[in-house]
Amino acid sequence: DAGVIQSPRHEVTEMGQEVTLRCKPISGHNSLFWYRQTMMRGLELLIYFNNNVPIDDSGMPEDRFSAKMPNASFSTLKIQPSEPRDSAVYFCASSFPDINEQFFGPGTRLTVL
Amino acid sequence: AQSVTQLDSHVSVSEGTPVLLRCNYSSSYSPSLFWYVQHPNKGLQLLLKYTSAATLVKGINGFEAEFKKSETSFHLTKPSAHMSDAAEYFCVVSGLNSGGYQKVTFGTGTKLQVIP
Repeated sequence: DAGVIQSPRHEVTEMGQEVTLRCKPISGHNSLFWYRQTMMRGLELLIYFNNNVPIDDSGMPEDRFSAKMPNASFSTLKIQPSEPRDSAVYFCASSFPDINEQFFGPGTRLTVL
Repeated sequence: AQSVTQLDSHVSVSEGTPVLLRCNYSSSYSPSLFWYVQHPNKGLQLLLKYTSAATLVKGINGFEAEFKKSETSFHLTKPSAHMSDAAEYFCVVSGLNSGGYQKVTFGTGTKLQVIP
């Protein structure tokens, strides 16, 4: 298995633009997590899906952020409009729900100018 | 309620000396506990995990951790530090919430510096 796949690996955009981050979980995993990591705030859980259904989105910072999981093999995290304070590394992770071990993707480094 | 506290934000050791990274947790349920490592500009990699089996858990790269329920601790140790161990380490607690879904809490991380 190729592991968790994230794209793009790097994204540079201007304030106000829409940004879409993509994640393909490990085949067979039915839990998916989106995290954000910054120097100031560390690693934050944004949203957690189980069987494609959002279970906990309490970490989503505001309405500009949205996440979808249309099927078991694909998820997106969208920021619209983007702001400089959204600059961070965004990680996607997947797991089996009853095993708890999460497998992380390589991350997307987002820079909003 | 569930929480995890990493007691040191930075730890510095000399190459060849022991490593101790401290972690305390609280959980309303029987938790699973993990240590992840993140090298600079990389994703997180699982070092080891405790899931209610043996309390002394051995992981990759010579690391191990001991689950001590009475002390609510899960400290990470290694007998002899190597330069390649320089990274950030995250302690994680995971359990099922009242709804039966996974609740995962990350610690704030400990940056390990290894001095030649």
